[in-house]
Amino acid sequence: DIQMTQSPSTLSASVGDRVTITCRASQSISSWLAWYQQKPGKAPKLLIYKASSLESGVPSRFSGSGSGTEFTLTISSLQPDDFATYYCQRYNNYLITFGQGTRLEIK
Amino acid sequence: QLQLQESGPGLVKSSETLSLTCTVSGGSISSSNYYWGWIRQPPGKGLEWIGSIYYSGSTYYNPSLKSRVTISVDTSKNQFSLKLSSVTAADTALYFCARCWQGGGDCDYFDYWGQGTLVTVSS
Repeated sequence: DIQMTQSPSTLSASVGDRVTITCRASQSISSWLAWYQQKPGKAPKLLIYKASSLESGVPSRFSGSGSGTEFTLTISSLQPDDFATYYCQRYNNYLITFGQGTRLEIK
Repeated sequence: QLQLQESGPGLVKSSETLSLTCTVSGGSISSSNYYWGWIRQPPGKGLEWIGSIYYSGSTYYNPSLKSRVTISVDTSKNQFSLKLSSVTAADTALYFCARCWQGGGDCDYFDYWGQGTLVTVSS
């Protein structure tokens, strides 16, 4: 089975910082990757699909890149509302796997 | 605006069957563009995909749960349901239903989610 590994597990940053979260797949998944933001007690929110496509209504400070086995989610200038947990999710061959999550906290 | 709402018992006894229903409003569950899925999250932990269903009834499941999971759809009620048998404390989690974009024939990414319902398994 394809494993998804996110890094770091926790990231401390300040408002205005540029941050990058990485998601690695144990085998190539082409561009079949999505990113979500989740706040405590809430459902995840889709940010990015197909590795780099921005979901409608998501601020342009969020961007995704990568293909094959390595992917990144970048937030260009952190806003107070961005402190949350982020998950990657791969989808292919009728299987769905989430990464373990990256908690983005205020420094 | 599409809305999904989970419903079902919040407490299930160990070894019994967990049953949840997701009611879809503001859109049709019979849309050819979408699958519908269940995802769970144990307290303080990450997300785990359980399985997905198409309006035709076609399903596929997480291999780690496949032997215990059944997902079904009722298009007349715009609902889909989850049954998880032989539950243990490890099945205690926040259970989400969600809409899944149907890309190349299977469930891709989840664009609309329910608020989630907490199910606790008691001994």
